Amino acid sequence: AQTVTQSQPEMSVQEAETVTLSCTYDTSESDYYLFWYKQPPSRQMILVIRQEAYKQQNATENRFSVNFQKAAKSFSLKISDSQLGDAAMYFCAYTTSGGGADGLTFGKGTHLIIQP
Amino acid sequence: DVKVTQSSRYLVKRTGEKVFLECVQDMDHENMFWYRQDPGLGLRLIYFSYDVKMKEKGDIPEGYSVSREKKERFSLILESASTNQTSMYLCASTPQGVTGANVLTFGAGSRLTVL
Repeated sequence: AQTVTQSQPEMSVQEAETVTLSCTYDTSESDYYLFWYKQPPSRQMILVIRQEAYKQQNATENRFSVNFQKAAKSFSLKISDSQLGDAAMYFCAYTTSGGGADGLTFGKGTHLIIQP
Repeated sequence: DVKVTQSSRYLVKRTGEKVFLECVQDMDHENMFWYRQDPGLGLRLIYFSYDVKMKEKGDIPEGYSVSREKKERFSLILESASTNQTSMYLCASTPQGVTGANVLTFGAGSRLTVL
């Protein structure tokens, strides 16, 4: 079974600084998809960024970027210029399904604190 | 602009009660999912459905059942609630077989307390 490991239960960063959240995964598949989801306090889970394993280029979405190391099975999320609104639980997730049918396997989450 | 609606945000039930958690999506998605979220454990998949009247067990189906009589509605049922089912329950959906289909749209969650 695939597993997703987030080794940092909690991270803290000063506003405007950069923080990196770690994620590793275990799979024997060569084609798969990786995600970072954000869950703000008492609010809905939303997608931050998505990476397809066959793409060499790291995905970016504004201040959010990933460092995808396929050989190392590592998928870290970098948040640049941290803002108070970035405070949330962040979940790394994995699936082999491009068609959406199988759901995602999630890590245990990292609680990100933004210090003003 | 709510797309996945969970009918109850907070519920308090007694041990042994039958509990229904309802989820409705208005995006005509084929796939629907129920996850359970616990601190330190992340999200774990309970059941999912890829079509009306179809259901598949996830990683932790014990003590739960589901119903999908209509495409837009996916219900999670606790036949006899127990205290270890106290948790946050998240419903999600995705379309089938299109680019980006594996991006889940989540509901706001249902926090269940079983006394």
